[in-house]
Amino acid sequence: NAGVTQTPKFQVLKTGQSMTLQCAQDMNHNSMYWYRQDPGMGLRLIYYSASEGTTDKGEVPNGYNVSRLNKREFSLRLESAAPSQTSVYFCASFQGAVGSYEQYFGPGTRLTVT
Amino acid sequence: GNSVTQMEGPVTLSEEAFLTINCTYTATGYPSLFWYVQYPGEGLQLLLKATKADDKGSNKGFEATYRKETTSFHLEKGSVQVSDSAVYFCALRTWVTGNQFYFGTGTSLTVIP
Repeated sequence: NAGVTQTPKFQVLKTGQSMTLQCAQDMNHNSMYWYRQDPGMGLRLIYYSASEGTTDKGEVPNGYNVSRLNKREFSLRLESAAPSQTSVYFCASFQGAVGSYEQYFGPGTRLTVT
Repeated sequence: GNSVTQMEGPVTLSEEAFLTINCTYTATGYPSLFWYVQYPGEGLQLLLKATKADDKGSNKGFEATYRKETTSFHLEKGSVQVSDSAVYFCALRTWVTGNQFYFGTGTSLTVIP
């Protein structure tokens, strides 16, 4: 099992460029999440998908869109990147069934917007 | 609402020192509580959990006890090692919040030989 995988690991964008961060999980989990991590701010939820076919905004959704392509894959798109979106992005998944507790995280994507 | 408050860091300790990282929470409903650890350059991984009052979660020498009366879940380790250097996050989830997790801001720990 690979767990949660994210691509790319690193990315540099210029202001106004667009890109899509990819995330996939092989644990048959129902829920998937996108967080950003900034110094002193901890983890902030951007969007999540409680189950296939649904997505919901988190704490900081502005400037982002998501797609739950299927049960395995959950992508995050930046339509017009801004320097304020420089961050480390983490994807996570969660089984969501009764008795399940642990959220599993990918290794992260470090994004710099210049 | 739901929130987690952690002690501010960074924390620097000598090897074999005692560690405490404080965590308090507010929650709608009855939360499950977690400590996650993030090693440099990696994603978060679950360190330990507790799902009801007075439960003690433990793993790798770390412990935390779910204290409902003080709404706290403090992380402790009796003797830290250099390899424990990492960022530690306290988190909660309740059935009321569905599948949303709430994280504290993280506490950076550096252990020096």
